[in-house]
Amino acid sequence: GQQLNQSPQSMFIQEGEDVSMNCTSSSIFNTWLWYKQDPGEGPVLLIALYKAGELTSNGRLTAQFGITRKDSFLNISASIPSDVGIYFCAGNTNAGKSTFGDGTTLTVKP
Amino acid sequence: KAGVTQTPRYLIKTRGQQVTLSCSPISGHRSVSWYQQTPGQGLQFLFEYFSETQRNKGNFPGRFSGRQFSNSRSEMNVSTLELGDSALYLCASSARDRRADTQYFGPGTRLTVL
Repeated sequence: GQQLNQSPQSMFIQEGEDVSMNCTSSSIFNTWLWYKQDPGEGPVLLIALYKAGELTSNGRLTAQFGITRKDSFLNISASIPSDVGIYFCAGNTNAGKSTFGDGTTLTVKP
Repeated sequence: KAGVTQTPRYLIKTRGQQVTLSCSPISGHRSVSWYQQTPGQGLQFLFEYFSETQRNKGNFPGRFSGRQFSNSRSEMNVSTLELGDSALYLCASSARDRRADTQYFGPGTRLTVL
């Protein structure tokens, strides 16, 4: 089946630093999605990407849909304490199947 | 638009019991997917319902079942609960139309099996 490799698994950064995480796959996806999950809550959609090469921003967050359609990255600039949480990537195929990465746990030290 | 709602938010059951969880999708969304999330296991796909039909299924035993009603609301049932079924159960809805296949998650139901 399809698998997504999300890295890094965890990050410990200082407030104000920039963050970068990515997902790669051996399969092609039509849509890449990035979610953030706070403890005990459901994942919240941050950014959706629908086209290869697409670069989309949402405030301090920027994500890109890789040209090969097999990868995506998410950048967070000038991190703040409320950025703490688990970030998931997800890839959707034409058949409507969603595959999720294992998540990147972000810790921000004030 | 109201988001995805799930009830109940928290549930405590004992081994051997059965449980039913409910999910109301975003208005207009016809697809509802269910996921199990445990620490260290990530999001494990259970099944997807679209227009009252199960469209996709993950690798879970038959104790896990679901259904979808004509108003797109969905229920998930787990029979003969085991300790390992303790998890956060998430449902996600989407329109499942061409570009609009983005899934939106509910807050989850935290199930604890004692």
